Parts: sequence; structure tokens; C-alpha cells
Amino acid sequence: AQSVAQPEDQVNVAEGNPLTVKCTYSVSGNPYLFWYVQYPNRGLQFLLKYITGDNLVKGSYGFEAEFNKSQTSFHLKKPSALVSDSALYFCAVRAFGDSSYKLIFGSGTRLLVRP
Amino acid sequence: DVKVTQSSRYLVKRTGEKVFLECVQDMDHENMFWYRQDPGLGLRLIYFSYDVKMKEKGDIPEGYSVSREKKERFSLILESASTNQTSMYLCASSSLAGGGSEQYFGPGTRLTVT
Repeated sequence: AQSVAQPEDQVNVAEGNPLTVKCTYSVSGNPYLFWYVQYPNRGLQFLLKYITGDNLVKGSYGFEAEFNKSQTSFHLKKPSALVSDSALYFCAVRAFGDSSYKLIFGSGTRLLVRP
Repeated sequence: DVKVTQSSRYLVKRTGEKVFLECVQDMDHENMFWYRQDPGLGLRLIYFSYDVKMKEKGDIPEGYSVSREKKERFSLILESASTNQTSMYLCASSSLAGGGSEQYFGPGTRLTVT
């Protein structure tokens, strides 16, 4: 069965410092991997995705993520955090060839960037 | 830009009422999805549809039904609302253009059942 784990409920970081939000996945075959962000009382916004190719994927708002097949991870990173990055972040996975187009979401990680 | 709209941002209903949540997308997407979001549980799929009049159960379909009469509209129905259905409900859509197409989400409906 497909699954996604976000091991940290909350990540705290000071503004200007690098940030990492962790995600590991389990899927049969090759994965499609996604990151979404949710600001308070809003829907989810797409940040970036990995389909194939370069393991380092760049997305919106200066975020990037690195696909690591051997560790089955897809951690979200940003070199210098902003207070405005404070939000809830979700990792999601879909198996290549899954005709249902369903995404499996992690439980979410709250990022708090302090000034 | 893709736009997914949901009929209400906040909704308060009584136990036993029939509740309709409406979702409309304007990008001619084939796939549409209904999720509920609860703290610590992430997003859980209730139902999805990949074509008009087609529907598939997700992970937690009990107590819900759906309707898709037109391509752009996907409705979630709570036949008899219960307090354990108090939650945030999110609608999403995606295209069939490539397996890696992302889902686009509406703003959500926060439903409270009293």
C-alpha cells in the first residue's frame, strides 16, 4: 500500500536560516511526489513536484526538494526562511501507472519561522 | 490560472440535516476529488470522479455520496449529517494530461455539525 510519512508535526526555524521539512514515502514502483502549502483558512497550493529526471526540483517561493530513491525521501528545503513561510506543509505521492490519479497525503508539518 | 471554487467557506448544520457541498472548476479537468482535512490526519480522500456521472470511493466514503452531472461540477452530499462529520472539506481537480499532473484545490468549506 502507498503511504507518506512526515515525521515532524512542527518545525521551528529562525528567519534567515535554512529550513528542511522531511518526507518519506512507500510506493510500488516509481513515484510521483508533490509538495503543497496551506496558509491559514485557505486551500492547498501546489509548490513543486518530482516526476522524473533531475533529483533536485525547484518550485515556487524559493523552495526546492531533493528526491532520494535509495532513502525513499523527498525533503523540502529552502536556503533562507522567511516569516511569511510559516504555514502547514503537505507531502503527497502517487505511484507511476496508477490510473486512479489519487494522491496519498502525509499528515502535514507546521512550519514556524520566528523573526 | 486554474480556479476551483466551493459554494461556502463556513457552514453550520444540525445533526440529521442533509448537506450539499458544491465544487466548480473552470479548467475542463477530467478528475475531481473530495477530501476531508482533520488535524493530525492530513487529507483523506472521500470520493473522486474521473468523468461525468462516474464516481469512485476513496478511503472514507461512509456517510457521504457524490454527484457529477456536469464536467465542471462535483457535489458532496451528507445524507444525514452527524457531529463526527465536522471537518474542513476540500475539493480538488486535475487533468489527465500526463500522470504527474498536480491537483488544484479550492479554498475549503469548514463544516460544523451541532
